[in-house]
Amino acid sequence: GIQVEQSPPDLILQEGANSTLRCNFSDSVNNLQWFHQNPWGQLINLFYIPSGTKQNGRLSATTVATERYSLLYISSSQTTDSGVYFCAVGTDYKLSFGAGTTVTVRA
Amino acid sequence: SQTIHQWPATLVQPVGSPLSLECTVEGTSNPNLYWYRQAAGRGLQLLFYSVGIGQISSEVPQNLSASRPQDRQFILSSKKLLLSDSGFYLCAWAQGNYGYTFGSGTRLTVV
Repeated sequence: GIQVEQSPPDLILQEGANSTLRCNFSDSVNNLQWFHQNPWGQLINLFYIPSGTKQNGRLSATTVATERYSLLYISSSQTTDSGVYFCAVGTDYKLSFGAGTTVTVRA
Repeated sequence: SQTIHQWPATLVQPVGSPLSLECTVEGTSNPNLYWYRQAAGRGLQLLFYSVGIGQISSEVPQNLSASRPQDRQFILSSKKLLLSDSGFYLCAWAQGNYGYTFGSGTRLTVV
């Protein structure tokens, strides 16, 4: 199956800082999504981004499909940004998830 | 608007007991439906997915099974739970090949 590697595994930020999360994948995909899992376990879809760049408020994402990686940018981080960020990739309806990046934003 | 319901939120079951987790989706038709499991502190593992009524694909051999008796209903079952079945179970839906929406999950502890 497709291998998904996320880095870094853990990230500690001071409130207001910017950060970049990376997702590398091992094969061509036609589906790539970023999710945020809050401390209560709820998974929220942030972006559907198999290619190109998207922005939603303080979050943006870029996927370079030909080079098999995606980046998630968090700007002006807030404590509510804390949680685990997952990258998921796939084809044919199925997504394989990476191990996630645990982000802790300190006030 | 579309909503997804998953219950119960938490469940404690003895080893060897049966299991039934239910997931329903509202506001859409013919969705793709998924069951994922998340072990503590780890990523999500795809267990089953369905692209239509009665169509179930299994990704990981185990003592769990899934059924889709209605278009917007997806059920995860086991006849006899094992300790290793403990985890956080998440149901999700998607329309075609687009963004997933997850339910709120069920925390299962097998004792």
